[in-house]
Amino acid sequence: AQSVTQLDSQVPVFEEAPVELRCNYSSSVSVYLFWYVQYPNQGLQLLLKYLSGSTLVKGINGFEAEFNKSQTSFHLRKPSVHISDTAEYFCAVSESGGSNYKLTFGKGTLLTVNP
Amino acid sequence: DVKVTQSSRYLVKRTGEKVFLECVQDMDHENMFWYRQDPGLGLRLIYFSYDVKMKEKGDIPEGYSVSREKKERFSLILESASTNQTSMYLCASRTVRGINYNEQFFGPGTRLTVL
Repeated sequence: AQSVTQLDSQVPVFEEAPVELRCNYSSSVSVYLFWYVQYPNQGLQLLLKYLSGSTLVKGINGFEAEFNKSQTSFHLRKPSVHISDTAEYFCAVSESGGSNYKLTFGKGTLLTVNP
Repeated sequence: DVKVTQSSRYLVKRTGEKVFLECVQDMDHENMFWYRQDPGLGLRLIYFSYDVKMKEKGDIPEGYSVSREKKERFSLILESASTNQTSMYLCASRTVRGINYNEQFFGPGTRLTVL
């Protein structure tokens, strides 16, 4: 079975500051990794995904994440945040083969960007 | 653009009522999912459908059933609603082909309150 731990439930930052949202996963097999964003009163939107290849993945809205297999991490970063980045962010993992339909989500990190 | 729509954004029901939540996707996706989202718990999978008339239990199926008679539509049924089913319900769909392989696309959610 796989699991995801998002180490911070809330992250407050000031506008234009850099941010890192941390995600660690546990799985006995190879994985695919995802970051989703949820704006208030909306569904989830994919920010980026790692399936294979380069461990540095670039996504929408200036976000990027790095897959680190040895540390089983997939941290999300942005060099300069905007007020509009205020949202909840979810890390998710699925197995890369077999019954890979199942996405296991972390509990979410609420990013609050203050002026 | 992929579009996943849910029949209601907000729903208020009484304990014991039978509740239907409808989800429609317009991209001919094979797989569809129902999740519930609760504060501090992230997203938890209720049911999953591989294809028409096929379904599989997720992590928390108790008290729920599903129906998928047509490829584009996936219904979640609460046979007898209870107050502990008050939650945000999210539908998602996914294709198993092409460049969007393994990415789940989410609807806007239905916030259900059971009184």
